[in-house]
Amino acid sequence: AQKVTQTQTSISVMEKTTVTMDCVYETQDSSYFLFWYKQTASGEIVFLIRQDSYKKENATVGHYSLNFQKPKSSIGLIITATQIEDSAVYFCAMREGGTGNTRKLIFGLGTTLQVQP
Amino acid sequence: NSKVIQTPRYLVKGQGQKAKMRCIPEKGHPVVFWYQQNKNNEFKFLINFQNQEVLQQIDMTEKRFSAECPSNSPCSLEIQSSEAGDSALYLCASSLGEGAETLYFGSGTRLTVL
Repeated sequence: AQKVTQTQTSISVMEKTTVTMDCVYETQDSSYFLFWYKQTASGEIVFLIRQDSYKKENATVGHYSLNFQKPKSSIGLIITATQIEDSAVYFCAMREGGTGNTRKLIFGLGTTLQVQP
Repeated sequence: NSKVIQTPRYLVKGQGQKAKMRCIPEKGHPVVFWYQQNKNNEFKFLINFQNQEVLQQIDMTEKRFSAECPSNSPCSLEIQSSEAGDSALYLCASSLGEGAETLYFGSGTRLTVL
């Protein structure tokens, strides 16, 4: 069975620093897709960045980047130059590979990030 | 801001009452998922659609929940007889479908069952 684990419950950092959030996953699929989402205080879930398992290069979008270590089944999210508005709950998620629109997202339990001024 | 629109933002019902929430997927997205997020941040898949057709649903959804995505109307999720354990954030997500892996979520409907 697929599983996503985020071991850090919460992290507090100072503004303008870099933070890394950990995520490990379990899957039997040879091909899969990994995502990071951010949930704001209002409940809205915002897609941030994605890594396709067959791609060797780490994805980067704006001040978000990924540290994809396939042999360790690990996909860390790195946020550089953090801002107060980055304070939120961050979820790691995995979608199984293959085809078909029934493939679900499996989520971790989230890491709460607090950015201090 | 999210392009998946969910209404209402908050819903308060008594036990046994019906609770209905709506979702307008992002324009051009034929695939819709409904998830339930509890207070412990656990996400539970409920049902998903491609256009008007149900692709997959869990047992709970079959029994007490009803959902539809009619043509040219918002998708909806309705709990026929609310229970205290249904109190949660209900999230709708949409995607372009085949080959497009990313799901885009709305802001959710927070249901409280008293």
